[in-house]
Amino acid sequence: ETGVTQTPRHLVMGMTNKKSLKCEQHLGHNAMYWYKQSAKKPLELMFVYSLEERVENNSVPSRFSPECPNSSHLFLHLHTLQPEDSALYLCASSQDGGLAFSTDTQYFGPGTRLTVL
Amino acid sequence: AQSVAQPEDQVNVAEGNPLTVKCTYSVSGNPYLFWYVQYPNRGLQFLLKYITGDNLVKGSYGFEAEFNKSQTSFHLKKPSALVSDSALYFCAVRDEGPKAGNNRKLIWGLGTSLAVNP
Repeated sequence: ETGVTQTPRHLVMGMTNKKSLKCEQHLGHNAMYWYKQSAKKPLELMFVYSLEERVENNSVPSRFSPECPNSSHLFLHLHTLQPEDSALYLCASSQDGGLAFSTDTQYFGPGTRLTVL
Repeated sequence: AQSVAQPEDQVNVAEGNPLTVKCTYSVSGNPYLFWYVQYPNRGLQFLLKYITGDNLVKGSYGFEAEFNKSQTSFHLKKPSALVSDSALYFCAVRDEGPKAGNNRKLIWGLGTSLAVNP
C-alpha cells in the first residue's frame, strides 16, 4: 500500500475554505487518477492524467481543480465546496500503455476522507 | 452501454467455508475484468484481473475468479474463507479496444460487503 500515498488522510473544511489534497506514487507509473467514492454509489472517475497531460475531465464542477506537476505527483485543489462533496477521495496510478492498450491495472492510495461543513 | 452488476449487497460465510462474490457485466466487445478489495478506512487493493487466456484467474491472498463468457460473469471465489477476508469487494470492467473517450474508464460495481464469521 505504500506505492501510492495520499495526504492528508482526513480533512474537515468549511464551505469557504481553500485546501489541497496531495497524491504521490512511487511505482514509476505514467498515469494518475482522481476518484470520488460516496456511499451506495459506484466509484466516480473525476480526472485522468497521462504523461502529465489531462486526458479526461468527467464534468466535474470547477470548484475541483487538479494539478499534475510531474508523473509522480497529483494534487486536487478544493475551493468553495458544498456539503454534498463530502466523500472519500481516492488517487490511483497505472502504467499507461497508450491508446491501444487498455489492460493496465490501477493501484490506489488509502484515500482522503473529506468532510465539508 | 458498458455496465457491471454485483447482485448481492452483502455475503455472509462461516470461516473455513468456501466463498463466492458474484459479478456480471455487459460490454460491446471482449471484456477486461478486475476485482479489488477495500478494507475499512483504506483504499482499494488490486486482487486479480482477466485479460485473455485461461478462464480461471488466480490472484492475491488465495482468491481466484472464473470468467464465463456465455453467462457474462466473473465471480470471485476462495476455497476457505478467513475472518480477515471481511471487507468490501468491487468488480470492474473495461471494454477492449482503443482506450479513448469513455473506453478509458473502468466501470465499477457498487461493491459487495463480505462478512466472514468465526
